[in-house]
Amino acid sequence: DIQVTQSPSTLSASIGDRITITCRASLSISSWLAWYQQKPGKAPNLLIYKTSTLESGVPSRFSGSGSGTEFTLTISSLQPDDFATYYCQQYDTYSPIFTFGPGTKVDIK
Amino acid sequence: QVQLVQSGAEMKKPGASVKVSCKASGYSFTNYGMSWVRQAPGQGLEWMGWISGYNGNTNYAQKLQGRVTMTTDTSTSTAYMELRSLRSDDTAVYYCARAPVLRNFVPDYWGQGTLVTVSS
Repeated sequence: DIQVTQSPSTLSASIGDRITITCRASLSISSWLAWYQQKPGKAPNLLIYKTSTLESGVPSRFSGSGSGTEFTLTISSLQPDDFATYYCQQYDTYSPIFTFGPGTKVDIK
Repeated sequence: QVQLVQSGAEMKKPGASVKVSCKASGYSFTNYGMSWVRQAPGQGLEWMGWISGYNGNTNYAQKLQGRVTMTTDTSTSTAYMELRSLRSDDTAVYYCARAPVLRNFVPDYWGQGTLVTVSS
């Protein structure tokens, strides 16, 4: 099974900061990576899929990049609404099986 | 608009079973699959499995094989997830999430979650 890790586990940042979260897969997953944002008590919200494709309605300050085994989620200018936990999700080309990373909590410095 | 509305919170004893429902609206149910994801208190997200809304084909996480069954009722656009032989570590919020085939099954819309508490 493919293992997925994220770093850091917690990130303290200020409004306006540029932040980057890294996701690593134990094997190459091509571009099959998604990112979700989750706030306490709420369901996850899809931000990005296929590494860099922004879901409809997601602000352009979110971006994704990478390939193979290393991927990043970048928020170009952190906004108050962005304090949340972020999960990457590795998925398969042709099957509905996927694995989530352990999450990165972004909190206020 | 797409909506997934899940059944209410459940409290079960160890060894019992639970069945969570997820009623879909705002899209063609049979054109999409449904994934189920759970989240234990204070923990991350765990994929449980997937079911096709078209033909009922399923794919379950290996660790839950034999304890989980996912079904659909296309006449009511409802998906179900049944988990048997419940243990305390099955205590979690259970989510259904629409899984578009054309997006490699990446869940886009999610239900509100159903808290299942397993305690004696």
